[in-house]
Amino acid sequence: KQEVTQIPAALSVPEGENLVLNCSFTDSAIYNLQWFRQDPGKGLTSLLLIQSSQREQTSGRLNASLDKSSGRSTLYIAASQPGDSATYLCAVISYNNNDMRFGAGTRLTVKP
Amino acid sequence: SAVISQKPSRDICQRGTSLTIQCQVDSQVTMMFWYRQQPGQSLTLIATANQGSEATYESGFVIDKFPISRPNLTFSTLTVSNMSPEDSSIYLCSTYRESEAFFGQGTRLTVV
Repeated sequence: KQEVTQIPAALSVPEGENLVLNCSFTDSAIYNLQWFRQDPGKGLTSLLLIQSSQREQTSGRLNASLDKSSGRSTLYIAASQPGDSATYLCAVISYNNNDMRFGAGTRLTVKP
Repeated sequence: SAVISQKPSRDICQRGTSLTIQCQVDSQVTMMFWYRQQPGQSLTLIATANQGSEATYESGFVIDKFPISRPNLTFSTLTVSNMSPEDSSIYLCSTYRESEAFFGQGTRLTVV
């Protein structure tokens, strides 16, 4: 069964700092990996989707990488802003199960 | 992107009662998923619902407690039965389109 781990569980940084969130998964046989953002009490907003054949995706200040062989993904946030404060969730879809498994999330706080 | 309309967005229910959550997708999809997010936790998959067959439940979730309907390719319901305060959570439905996952807005359930 696919297991997804996110490190760190929580992160607090000053505004303007670049930061990296980490995600690891145990089964490398994946269709894709997706990063989401969740604001308190809200639903999930999709940030980036990386197909299994891709190594990275970029959207604005966000860059996500995927190393399938080592079971790792990173989400890089450049020039962080207070509006980036949220919980970031990593999720993978596996070949075997065809469902989406989530990490526990990283709670990010960007201080003005 | 797929649009999923989920309702109710929130409810406060008495213990022992049942609540049915509905999700309507703007186009036909093969698979729909139901997740639970307990306070401060990540998302846990409850079950996978395919049209025309019984839902497949994850370990720890049973049909008597969380009956699911999937009458057609655009609609699904999840019922939380005989509720207790431990069922207080956010419940989310999800589907895929072109391998990207999309979520409903979530239902915040409080059982008193």
